[in-house]
Amino acid sequence: GENVEQHPSTLSVQEGDSAVIKCTYSDSASNYFPWYKQELGKGPQLIIDIRSNVGEKKDQRIAVTLNKTAKHFSLHITETQPEDSAVYFCAASADTGFQKLVFGTGTRLLVSP
Amino acid sequence: SAVISQKPSRDICQRGTSLTIQCQVDSQVTMMFWYRQQPGQSLTLIATANQGSEATYESGFVIDKFPISRPNLTFSTLTVSNMSPEDSSIYLCSGMPGQGGEQYFGPGTRLTVT
Repeated sequence: GENVEQHPSTLSVQEGDSAVIKCTYSDSASNYFPWYKQELGKGPQLIIDIRSNVGEKKDQRIAVTLNKTAKHFSLHITETQPEDSAVYFCAASADTGFQKLVFGTGTRLLVSP
Repeated sequence: SAVISQKPSRDICQRGTSLTIQCQVDSQVTMMFWYRQQPGQSLTLIATANQGSEATYESGFVIDKFPISRPNLTFSTLTVSNMSPEDSSIYLCSGMPGQGGEQYFGPGTRLTVT
């Protein structure tokens, strides 16, 4: 089955810096890759996603890139702010209906003022 | 998108008892799912809640331990049966409104079994 690895496990940056989180997946049939942000005591929040027919997607300060050949995808956050501090999870789905998500291990991002 | 609520938000239960967690979506969704998240860990899919039929369980999870109901397109329940301390975890439900794969999560139910 699908396996998703995520790095780094923790990431500390200064406010205004960029942050990059990387994930690799094992199943070449995976075709949907969402990213979630989870704040303490809350459920995961979908922040951006990408499908296998697209190489990059941006939404304001957040972007995701996908390299199907290398089977990895990355989350890029620019101009980080303290409120970006949270745990970020990547996920992948190889289902034809994009249903079954396999999550990465998570990255704890700390943005210091 | 979809807004999802869960009840209870947390509970402390004695071993050997059962707890039913409710998940309510503010609009009809195609699919609903139940996940488990150990504190500080990632999410693991327990099962897909199918409307009008038996849930589809992932490897390592069985219906006798985690019975699931989904009577309509906006509501589902997960029961954690005959609980042991190893069942202490956060239980999350999610809904997928369309066919595109986007899943939206509830706030979770934090369960502690003593």
